[in-house]
Amino acid sequence: QKEVEQNSGPLSVPEGAIASLNCTYSDRGSQSFFWYRQYSGKSPELIMSIYSNGDKEDGRFTAQLNKASQYVSLLIRDSQPSDSATYLCAANAGGTSYGKLTFGQGTILTVHP
Amino acid sequence: EPEVTQTPSHQVTQMGQEVILRCVPISNHLYFYWYRQILGQKVEFLVSFYNNEISEKSEIFDDQFSVERPDGSNFTLKIRSTKLEDSAMYFCASRRGGARSNQPQHFGDGTRLSIL
Repeated sequence: QKEVEQNSGPLSVPEGAIASLNCTYSDRGSQSFFWYRQYSGKSPELIMSIYSNGDKEDGRFTAQLNKASQYVSLLIRDSQPSDSATYLCAANAGGTSYGKLTFGQGTILTVHP
Repeated sequence: EPEVTQTPSHQVTQMGQEVILRCVPISNHLYFYWYRQILGQKVEFLVSFYNNEISEKSEIFDDQFSVERPDGSNFTLKIRSTKLEDSAMYFCASRRGGARSNQPQHFGDGTRLSIL
């Protein structure tokens, strides 16, 4: 069973701080990794995608990938109360899959003023 | 920005009844997916669909489930005889690109299915 595990949280940070979210995956064949944000009762919204080892930055968000360690992370700089949500890590299944995503259980982030 | 649209937003159905959930994927996307999320649990893959046929399905996607692309725009999920445990949020997603593409999936707003 291919799994994606996230640090369980909940994670609470003050406004303006850096929030760090972590994820590990078991399928060594996974090539693509995604961070989605999900507000309560809403659908997953794509935040970042990463495919190569190293860092990828987009505004206040930085995704990091280490395939040797099977580890993905998301840093949110200058956290805002509007960033409060559940963050989902997802891995694209490897091998012959047609892009099936396996999701982690999510980390609840609360940014307090 | 183009988006995936799903209808209805909420469906209430008696146990044993058939239900059809509808999705309009983004127009230039080629790969379509259904996921479900039971309240408080992970988002789970159900099925992927490409070139008018199922390309992959999970253990959840048993004989009670079927998918169809009846025309050039709609993508439907049918549950033939609903059970209480089918109560969940159902998300449709679509993406561009080839079979092994890294293109991300874009999700619709979901249909909340409540089985009574």
